[in-house]
Amino acid sequence: DQQVKQNSPSLSVQEGRISILNCDYTNSMFDYFLWYKKYPAEGPTFLISISSIKDKNEDGRFTVFLNKSAKHLSLHIVPSQPGDSAVYFCAASSQGGSEKLVFGKGTKLTVNP
Amino acid sequence: GAVVSQHPSRVICKSGTSVKIECRSLDFQATTMFWYRQFPKKSLMLMATSNEGSKATYEQGVEKDKFLINHASLTLSTLTVTSAHPEDSSFYICSASSRFAGPSSYNEQFFGPGTRLTVL
Repeated sequence: DQQVKQNSPSLSVQEGRISILNCDYTNSMFDYFLWYKKYPAEGPTFLISISSIKDKNEDGRFTVFLNKSAKHLSLHIVPSQPGDSAVYFCAASSQGGSEKLVFGKGTKLTVNP
Repeated sequence: GAVVSQHPSRVICKSGTSVKIECRSLDFQATTMFWYRQFPKKSLMLMATSNEGSKATYEQGVEKDKFLINHASLTLSTLTVTSAHPEDSSFYICSASSRFAGPSSYNEQFFGPGTRLTVL
């Protein structure tokens, strides 16, 4: 049973346009959500996070939106740059102090010059 | 940001041998370390969670006797794949967590660069 789903395995956008990566979750106990960026043969790098008490968090070109009723979150990158090309993982965690993260399968973003 | 290293980055071994992978937090003390495994085109799957000085907590389906985890200090955790077989070939990633290592109040996890294990 996959608790965190990223239904789009890949996404291709033009440089300068907006990239929107989507993530859905099923566990209503999740209260903290994170996005990680990963290059091949490297570990994930933290990008941005959002707590369930918020519906939006912005950091430079990256904005994460959370729709709790729909159990859906999205990562917006604008403007997209070729250096943003990577695999993006959505992850979720629930209270309890374990800090255990549940990851989606990832979406490969390609930003074309 | 906080830095986590892994050693070795790549290892090739014969079937039946044991392989040890080290995970170190270089500039902070990690109260908790996590070990993940990633198959090609798959998500990161949590294998186990370890807290310094205590036994690791393994996820369902992960063999404790096969994947030995030791978290002897606040900066070092090791994963030993015992009697490795070709099906153990994978990309193993560790992460370290500390309340004081990240900018947010959440116990942010910092990931190592990963170790590619190939068992012949």
